Amino acid sequence: GAGVSQSPSNKVTEKGKDVELRCDPISGHTALYWYRQRLGQGLEFLIYFQGNSAPDKSGLPSDRFSAERTGESVSTLTIQRTQQEDSAVYLCASSPGLAGVSFSSYEQYFGPGTRLTVT
Amino acid sequence: QKEVEQNSGPLSVPEGAIASLNCTYSDRVSQSFFWYRQYSGKSPELIMSIYSNGDKEDGRFTAQLNKASQYVSLLIRDSQPSDSATYLCAVNRVLTGGGNKLTFGTGTQLKVEL
Repeated sequence: GAGVSQSPSNKVTEKGKDVELRCDPISGHTALYWYRQRLGQGLEFLIYFQGNSAPDKSGLPSDRFSAERTGESVSTLTIQRTQQEDSAVYLCASSPGLAGVSFSSYEQYFGPGTRLTVT
Repeated sequence: QKEVEQNSGPLSVPEGAIASLNCTYSDRVSQSFFWYRQYSGKSPELIMSIYSNGDKEDGRFTAQLNKASQYVSLLIRDSQPSDSATYLCAVNRVLTGGGNKLTFGTGTQLKVEL
């Protein structure tokens, strides 16, 4: 079946511009996650959605970052007034979430990521 | 103390040997544990999940869990050059009110040499 998809795959933007990143989760997955990975670094949790609500926004680095999700489908991560330190790969993952009845409900499957470069 | 700790490596093993990757975690209530493989320039790929103490085998991979010691490991038998990647340990914690959070270690780089 289709996996998690993300678009665009690459985005180059000028400092100060806004960018919008999109994630399509695996069909039927109720939970969706955004992570950031800077070059050579580990995964940094940003935000988690269960359905269209966001129980955990603790990882959003600043108020320039926001995310929304439509139902149990597409999510967009928006970065306003981009800065050079925002340059990273932004990864989206989905999991079956609360719809599942076993620990496998928590298995997260990642999309290919969006590489963001702020010049 | 980091929530999930891994040796960054690189861990170098000869082709055909057993590679042993280790991970410790700090949250005693964690119940689900995962190993991801990440090739350079690619996104993480789930390769093993383990939920109860003991060993779980899948092909050349064996995951080991010891909750008392807060320790998870991944063994790769008959290591191949294609196994060269960064291996991420992830620990799940169920949040109050429902939902869950996966915390990742920084990964161990494995190099399998010919």
